[in-house]
Amino acid sequence: GENVEQHPSTLSVQEGDSAVIKCTYSDSASNYFPWYKQELGKRPQLIIDIRSNVGEKKDQRIAVTLNKTAKHFSLHITETQPEDSAVYSCGGTSYGKLTFGQGTILTVHP
Amino acid sequence: SAVISQKPSRDICQRGTSLTIQCQVDSQVTMMFWYRQQPGQSLTLIATANQGSEATYESGFVIDKFPISRPNLTFSTLTVSNMSPEDSSIYLCSVEEGLAGGLEQFFGPGTRLTVL
Repeated sequence: GENVEQHPSTLSVQEGDSAVIKCTYSDSASNYFPWYKQELGKRPQLIIDIRSNVGEKKDQRIAVTLNKTAKHFSLHITETQPEDSAVYSCGGTSYGKLTFGQGTILTVHP
Repeated sequence: SAVISQKPSRDICQRGTSLTIQCQVDSQVTMMFWYRQQPGQSLTLIATANQGSEATYESGFVIDKFPISRPNLTFSTLTVSNMSPEDSSIYLCSVEEGLAGGLEQFFGPGTRLTVL
């Protein structure tokens, strides 16, 4: 089955800096890679996703890149704000089953 | 998007007892998923609940410990049996919905379980 590894487990940045979270996956059949943001005490919410036929996708301050050959993908957040502080989880979907990485606790200091 | 509710939102239970968590969706869905989330960590899939058939469990999770029911296309229950403090966690249900040519997972609000 799919195995998704996520790094780092914690990330601390100053407001305005960029944050990058990286994930690797094991199953070459995986074709859908979502990123979820979960604020304290709330449910996970999808913030961006990418499919295996695309190398990069951007939505305002958030971008995701995918390298299928190396089987890794990354989340990039620019101009971070304190409200970006949350747990971010990457996922890989293979044959309809979504597997999550271990999660990254992002803290943005004002 | 699917609207998902869970009951209870939280509970404190004694060791050795069982708790049943309910998940209700406002639309019919084929598959429902149950996840466990340890504090500050990401989500671990427990099982996939299919209507009309037995749930499919992930490695490390067994039906005797986490029995699941799926009586119809909008409802599922997860029971945490013979609880121990190690079962203290947040339990979330989720569903997949096709949007914009793809499938997105939507999550319930979670059930925070504390076992004493």
